[in-house]
Amino acid sequence: GNSVTQMEGPVTLSEEAFLTINCTYTATGYPSLFWYVQYPGEGLQLLLKATKADDKGSNKGFEATYRKETTSFHLEKGSVQVSDSAVYFCALSSGGSNYKLTFGKGTLLTVNP
Amino acid sequence: NAGVTQTPKFQVLKTGQSMTLQCAQDMNHEYMSWYRQDPGMGLRLIHYSVGAGITDQGEVPNGYNVSRSTTEDFPLRLLSAAPSQTSVYFCASSLTGQAEKLFFGSGTQLSVL
Repeated sequence: GNSVTQMEGPVTLSEEAFLTINCTYTATGYPSLFWYVQYPGEGLQLLLKATKADDKGSNKGFEATYRKETTSFHLEKGSVQVSDSAVYFCALSSGGSNYKLTFGKGTLLTVNP
Repeated sequence: NAGVTQTPKFQVLKTGQSMTLQCAQDMNHEYMSWYRQDPGMGLRLIHYSVGAGITDQGEVPNGYNVSRSTTEDFPLRLLSAAPSQTSVYFCASSLTGQAEKLFFGSGTQLSVL
């Protein structure tokens, strides 16, 4: 079956630090990959996505590249801000059921000024 | 736009009690779904619906019932609450079911004592 393994948190960084949150996956076929973000007290929002190998998703300074050879989709940002403090979820969909998302456990990021 | 509205935001139940978590969307979305979020587990799909009158089970359906009598509403029923159902519940909807177009509600935090 499908599974997503995400870097354990929590992660605490200072403002302007470099961020990496690791994500690896197991899936049948060719999944689409996503990063969702959950700000305190809110629902999840799509941050970025990639639908095929070597695609790079990007949004709000965050980037992630779909690496089929390493089955990875690591999230990166060059300079984090306090407003980036949130929980980040890696997820995938595959097998023709695009709405059946498989999520990782989530990584709590706290950015201090 | 209201988007996806979940009520209540917080609920405490005793074991064996029943209740319904409400979810409504005003975007005329065909697809709606329920997820539960547990610490260290990520989000898991409970039930979903691809249109009025059509529902199906997700990954963890036991102990929950759903129905979809209208496009707008997708209530989740707990017939006999158990402590294992203590969780945060998220409703999500999209026009076509595509993961990148999912809109999430802000969640219902349920505690079963």
